[in-house]
Amino acid sequence: DTAVSQTPKYLVTQMGNDKSIKCEQNLGHDTMYWYKQDSKKFLKIMFSYNNKELIINETVPNRFSPKSPDKAHLNLHINSLELGDSAVYFCASSQTTGYGYTFGSGTRLTVV
Amino acid sequence: KQEVTQIPAALSVPEGENLVLNCSFTDSAIYNLQWFRQDPGKGLTSLLLIQSSQREQTSGRLNASLDKSSGRSTLYIAASQPGDSATYLCAVRSLTTDSWGKLQFGAGTQVVVTP
Repeated sequence: DTAVSQTPKYLVTQMGNDKSIKCEQNLGHDTMYWYKQDSKKFLKIMFSYNNKELIINETVPNRFSPKSPDKAHLNLHINSLELGDSAVYFCASSQTTGYGYTFGSGTRLTVV
Repeated sequence: KQEVTQIPAALSVPEGENLVLNCSFTDSAIYNLQWFRQDPGKGLTSLLLIQSSQREQTSGRLNASLDKSSGRSTLYIAASQPGDSATYLCAVRSLTTDSWGKLQFGAGTQVVVTP
């Protein structure tokens, strides 16, 4: 009965590969997010979807492409992985008005 | 552009002492402010959420205050325990259109409580 679940938890891959991270929430929230936590532990937003519509798209390389098939799911696909993409990626969800965020447990991506 | 700062960056206290963690933000037009806890290698656990109209929130040994006009929030943890050791993150949700829905995080305060 996990509220926000991400898969996989760990991902080790070679440079140049393409990989996907999946996220699902069962809270009934209408907005979902991807955040990146870099090696200095700083968290920064990448994307946000509200009811399947992209509403926030920060300055992120276009190798990163989010997809939201429905409001309970938000996936992140990364093409041509680079060493600098190594980080922890967090999925989160919230309701539009007033309430706080719920985060998933994160996906640790290591590019070698 | 909203900027969030947390001071101190690290804190070590003996068990039983009260913890005081500070968070400041540059734009007072906020929707709410949320305190999280992050354990090493783990996700973020929400501790307290304060709406912009509120002055404080309490949960057990935790109390968070909000002074929107001065751009400050303080998290108090009473009678600290070794299990309180973690990184504490402050995050602000701004009202401005281009920041809609976005949480702006501070860099965190790493807390160690020694037995």
